[in-house]
Amino acid sequence: KQEVTQIPAALSVPEGENLVLNCSFTDSAIYNLQWFRQDPGKGLTSLLLIQSSQREQTSGRLNASLDKSSGRSTLYIAASQPGDSATYLCAVRGSSNTGKLIFGQGTTLQVKP
Amino acid sequence: DTGVSQNPRHKITKRGQNVTFRCDPISEHNRLYWYRQTLGQGPEFLTYFQNEAQLEKSRLLSDRFSAERPKGSFSTLEIQRTEQGDSAMYLCASSVLAGYTDTQYFGPGTRLTVL
Repeated sequence: KQEVTQIPAALSVPEGENLVLNCSFTDSAIYNLQWFRQDPGKGLTSLLLIQSSQREQTSGRLNASLDKSSGRSTLYIAASQPGDSATYLCAVRGSSNTGKLIFGQGTTLQVKP
Repeated sequence: DTGVSQNPRHKITKRGQNVTFRCDPISEHNRLYWYRQTLGQGPEFLTYFQNEAQLEKSRLLSDRFSAERPKGSFSTLEIQRTEQGDSAMYLCASSVLAGYTDTQYFGPGTRLTVL
């Protein structure tokens, strides 16, 4: 059974700092991995999707990497801003035949001005 | 706005009542998903439709839960005889296959409180 874990559960950093969020999964047979952002009481916004054959994806100040063999992904946020404060969730998809995403518990980020 | 929409946004009900939620996916998205999220946790998969066919159901979807997607457009999720443990945010997502992958786009969710 696939399990996804995110560490740390919460993180507080000063504005401008670069930071890394971690995601690990127990079964390396994944189809893709997706990072989402969730603001309090809101739905999820997709940030980056990495296919199992890819090593990384970049969007603006965000860079996500994937090491399938070790069951790990990281989300790197450069030059953090107070507007980045949110919960970040990673999710894995087991195969192309299933739409099911398995989520981690999330990392709640606070960027202080 | 062409995003995923969900109604109602909030629902408060008494234990034992039935509730129904609606999800309107992004136009032309043929895949639709329901998830449930409790406080401090990531979303948990409930069920998945491709067009009007329900292709996968989680064990979380007990016999009190039923989902439909008539004509492959909007979807409804009904919970019968609600229990306090059903209190959660119910999230809907939609996607369409583009190339070899599909990104799921989420709606704002329906927050259910069972008293």
